[in-house]
Amino acid sequence: DARVTQTPRHKVTEMGQEVTMRCQPILGHNTVFWYRQTMMQGLELLAYFRNRAPLDDSGMPKDRFSAEMPDATLATLKIQPSEPRDSAVYFCASGLVTYPGDMLFGPGTRLTVL
Amino acid sequence: GIQVEQSPPDLILQEGANSTLRCNFSDSVNNLQWFHQNPWGQLINLFYIPSGTKQNGRLSATTVATERYSLLYISSSQTTDSGVYFCGVKAAGNKLTFGGGTRVLVKP
Repeated sequence: DARVTQTPRHKVTEMGQEVTMRCQPILGHNTVFWYRQTMMQGLELLAYFRNRAPLDDSGMPKDRFSAEMPDATLATLKIQPSEPRDSAVYFCASGLVTYPGDMLFGPGTRLTVL
Repeated sequence: GIQVEQSPPDLILQEGANSTLRCNFSDSVNNLQWFHQNPWGQLINLFYIPSGTKQNGRLSATTVATERYSLLYISSSQTTDSGVYFCGVKAAGNKLTFGGGTRVLVKP
């Protein structure tokens, strides 16, 4: 059963610290998404990659967030410096351009910034 | 950008009951998906349904793209159906925009 994996599953950090979240997409998928879920804003798209190239990061605060795909098996989302308002669950999803119905979400990283 | 509204926001069902969840969207879409977020937070892809009708077990979905809405039907509900159901739509570009969700509680 192919799954999207994310690490860490939980992260508690102090304001100002750097946070790195990692995602391993499903082998063979050519699209990767980062979503953030909060009670107030719901599910918001932060970044979108196709064939490892960033195509859309308009939902991401550029001054502190960065997203990369150093290779096809790893996507990273970094926050530096972190702030309490960044507390949320961060989901990674992967899929196929040719069939969006194959989009699968990872279990998420629950981030708490104190 | 495109607006997505889901109704009702909350739904309490007795086990065995049937229900209908609705997703309205403000513009033409080329992608519509239904997801279930279980009580542990996992998002599960239920249907990819930009138009037409699909069924998967006790769940089925219908999208009437020309009238800009989609319906998710839950028949013979079970406690495992509890959670939040999200509708996500994509117009132009890459962004899947989600509605606010319908929180479902199925009581035994």
